[in-house]
Amino acid sequence: LAKTTQPISMDSYEGQEVNITCSHNNIATNDYITWYQQFPSQGPRFIIQGYKTKVTNEVASLFIPADRKSSTLSLPRVSLSDTAVYYCLVGDGPGGNTGFQKLVFGTGTRLLVSP
Amino acid sequence: DTGVSQDPRHKITKRGQNVTFRCDPISEHNRLYWYRQTLGQGPEFLTYFQNEAQLEKSRLLSDRFSAERPKGSFSTLEIQRTEQGDSAMYLCASSSQSFEQYFGPGTRLTVT
Repeated sequence: LAKTTQPISMDSYEGQEVNITCSHNNIATNDYITWYQQFPSQGPRFIIQGYKTKVTNEVASLFIPADRKSSTLSLPRVSLSDTAVYYCLVGDGPGGNTGFQKLVFGTGTRLLVSP
Repeated sequence: DTGVSQDPRHKITKRGQNVTFRCDPISEHNRLYWYRQTLGQGPEFLTYFQNEAQLEKSRLLSDRFSAERPKGSFSTLEIQRTEQGDSAMYLCASSSQSFEQYFGPGTRLTVT
């Protein structure tokens, strides 16, 4: 499975837009890019998934350039409650040939949002 | 939707004892996963069930670990002869045919 690299930590202030970039130089043709969020003492929570270009939902946007060797998670107007660890993962997406998705987590990016 | 539940939330045990954790997935989900997470690290995959069948096991799952999912509903993870290195958060997740995995709150194990 493709390895991902992301910043260890980031700091921001309430109301700002936060962009977390993830590198995945060895991404395979069939791989999707998925982001999870984890609060202390809780299990990870799915945020967004994409294959190429741009995906947007009510929580975040995911930007993927044409070469797919990196991706950027964008959180608009963060609040204190967005303080968490954010994980970038690559692997089989919907209909993958393994029949299931074994999530491979890195160490993630610790985002701290201050007042 | 009550979400994925895990029991107990915390477990303290002495080295050499056996422990068992339970996971109740979201009721309509046929896929169930176990992960282990140590401090400062992301979760690591342990094993996967589709219905009652255990289809994938990580090399991390030594012979002291066993997982079951009778009748394809709840699942248990047992650790025999616990070691201090087993101290971690044990996470359970479930999913349907979709790619999104829903995680429970985890069971934090401390081996003294």
